[in-house]
Amino acid sequence: GESVGLHLPTLSVQEGDNSIINCAYSNSASDYFIWYKQESGKGPQFIIDIRSNMDKRQGQRVTVLLNKTVKHLSLQIAATQPGDSAVYFCAENMPSDSWGKLQFGAGTQVVVTP
Amino acid sequence: GAGVSQSPSNKVTEKGKDVELRCDPISGHTALYWYRQRLGQGLEFLIYFQGNSAPDKSGLPSDRFSAERTGESVSTLTIQRTQQEDSAVYLCASSFWTGGYEQYFGPGTRLTVT
Repeated sequence: GESVGLHLPTLSVQEGDNSIINCAYSNSASDYFIWYKQESGKGPQFIIDIRSNMDKRQGQRVTVLLNKTVKHLSLQIAATQPGDSAVYFCAENMPSDSWGKLQFGAGTQVVVTP
Repeated sequence: GAGVSQSPSNKVTEKGKDVELRCDPISGHTALYWYRQRLGQGLEFLIYFQGNSAPDKSGLPSDRFSAERTGESVSTLTIQRTQQEDSAVYLCASSFWTGGYEQYFGPGTRLTVT
């Protein structure tokens, strides 16, 4: 079946630099995407979401970009801080699924170095 | 206010025993979700509730898994005759409604089957 996937399992970023986390999806009909951050030993924490009728959405220090042409989703973190070290998951709602069901990708480990 | 809470935080059980995992959602949240997360992997959807009803149970791995919710509040995930492959972190999340997607996660219950 179609599923969400991530390009890089681990991303090492120097403190102060910008981070870009990528996510590929194969279901062109998916209409909602969301990014979560999970710190060690904790549950995932919502970061930002985007619907398929948008290309870009900005939050505080984060931007999500959606490229429907190539079925690609990215999360940009500006001025990465040590507290940004975590695993980042993208998730999607597929139209074939019920409203409450999100399909999560495998995750990308972000390591912020001083 | 209080976030999503789960109990116990850790559970070690012998193969073949039954276990019950509890989730207390955020007050007023009508939707409640259960996920499983194996070590180093993404979240695997199990089931969600809208009120006390479970419209989507498609993620439950086998008939050894069941869940219920009462009073549109507390939910219990029960695993009967546990197997070693059931070892994982079980995460609960809640949201105002299923279309709202911003799911607030609890810290999880780490289940170890020996």
